[in-house]
Amino acid sequence: EIVMTQSPATLSVSPGDRATLSCRASQSVSSNLAWYQQKPGQAPSLLIYGASTRATGIPGRFSGSGSGTEFTLTISSLQSEDFAVYYCQQYNNWPSFGQGTKVDLK
Amino acid sequence: EVKLVESGGGLVQPGGSVRLSCAASGFTFRSYWMSWVRQAPGKGLEWVANIKQDGSEKSYVDSVKGRFTISKDNAWNSVSLQMNSLRVEDTAVYYCARVRLDGSLLFDFWGQGTMVTVSS
Repeated sequence: EIVMTQSPATLSVSPGDRATLSCRASQSVSSNLAWYQQKPGQAPSLLIYGASTRATGIPGRFSGSGSGTEFTLTISSLQSEDFAVYYCQQYNNWPSFGQGTKVDLK
Repeated sequence: EVKLVESGGGLVQPGGSVRLSCAASGFTFRSYWMSWVRQAPGKGLEWVANIKQDGSEKSYVDSVKGRFTISKDNAWNSVSLQMNSLRVEDTAVYYCARVRLDGSLLFDFWGQGTMVTVSS
């Protein structure tokens, strides 16, 4: 099983700030890494796949980078609607998710 | 518009059974793998099961093998999860999710989920 570890657990930011979220895999997953956003009471929604490709309709302020075991999700200028929990997921093997990073208001 | 609507959740006693269903619309259902993903209260996401486009291949997370069965009905555009020998730790919101068309095991559309509570 590939274990995904996200940091930090909580990130407190102000609107307009840049947010950087990290995800580490216990073994290489190549670029088979996705990011999801989940707002309270809602299902997750796909943001990024292939480590860096934005899903349809995702604004350009969201970007992903990395390969192998180290990955980053960057939100360049945080908007009010971006406060949520973000999960990374590897799909190089049977799917596994990180424990999530909550982005909340500073 | 892609829609996935789950049903069938509720309160069940330990050792009991429940069947979840997911009705799909807005896409060519027979062309897609489908999955179930769960989320325990206040916790993260856990993949539960996958099924191939024609139902010929199925995969499960180890913790549910031998207890859960995923099935797919392309005539009715639905996917189901039969859950037997339920345990307290199976308590979660269960999401039906569409696997990306190229078969990569990531999930490009999700239903709103159905809650299963296992408790005496």
